Amino acid sequence: EVQLVQSGAEVKKPGEPLKISCKGSGYTFTTYWIAWVRQMPGKGLEWMGIIYPGDSDTRYSPSFQGQVTISADRSINTAYLQWGSLKASDTAIYYCARPALSSAGPFDYWGRGTLVTVSS
Amino acid sequence: EIVLTQSPATLSLSPGERATLSCRASQSVGNYLAWYQQKPGQAPRLFIYDASNRATGIPARFSGSGSGTDFTLTISSLEPEDFAVYYCQQRDNWPPTFGPGTKVEIK
Repeated sequence: EVQLVQSGAEVKKPGEPLKISCKGSGYTFTTYWIAWVRQMPGKGLEWMGIIYPGDSDTRYSPSFQGQVTISADRSINTAYLQWGSLKASDTAIYYCARPALSSAGPFDYWGRGTLVTVSS
Repeated sequence: EIVLTQSPATLSLSPGERATLSCRASQSVGNYLAWYQQKPGQAPRLFIYDASNRATGIPARFSGSGSGTDFTLTISSLEPEDFAVYYCQQRDNWPPTFGPGTKVEIK
């Protein structure tokens, strides 16, 4: 069974760094892209970027380029999303998702989401 | 970046009624359009991909149609579990984008 298991909720202060994770199981981790999707409180879905764990090819939406870093450790089947310095506007649920047909989707498996709260 | 517009923003219907949701793209996306359902506190779930293909386990009352810039998700007869928010997503142009969602609520 394919599963994407995300790390737990985080509460951080503005300016702090953060790295959240998404562990894949039930499939060959290195042969599927992993995407990150943001959902701000009460809002819709925003595609942030994607990584191919097989060779670490990484692509970002222009809206998120330079704001976050996506990485992966294929030795432990885990993808990461990290911030160097959080802002209050980074408060959101972050989902990882696996696309089925291409790097751009459709996304047939999703993690349960990681709630990130940034508040002073 | 392709902008997806969904209408209506909210659809108020009763169980058993037919729901018709629209997704319009700012330029052609071919048939590379997917629909997701999201319930409160849950991750999105893929329902339709490539405009008209139902994902695994999706009931036949859900159907998708359209190509180019205009797409429709139809729920032939609403069941109680269908009340949720539905998002469209295109994968034809980079970056992939989502629509703002249509909430299907109980009337």
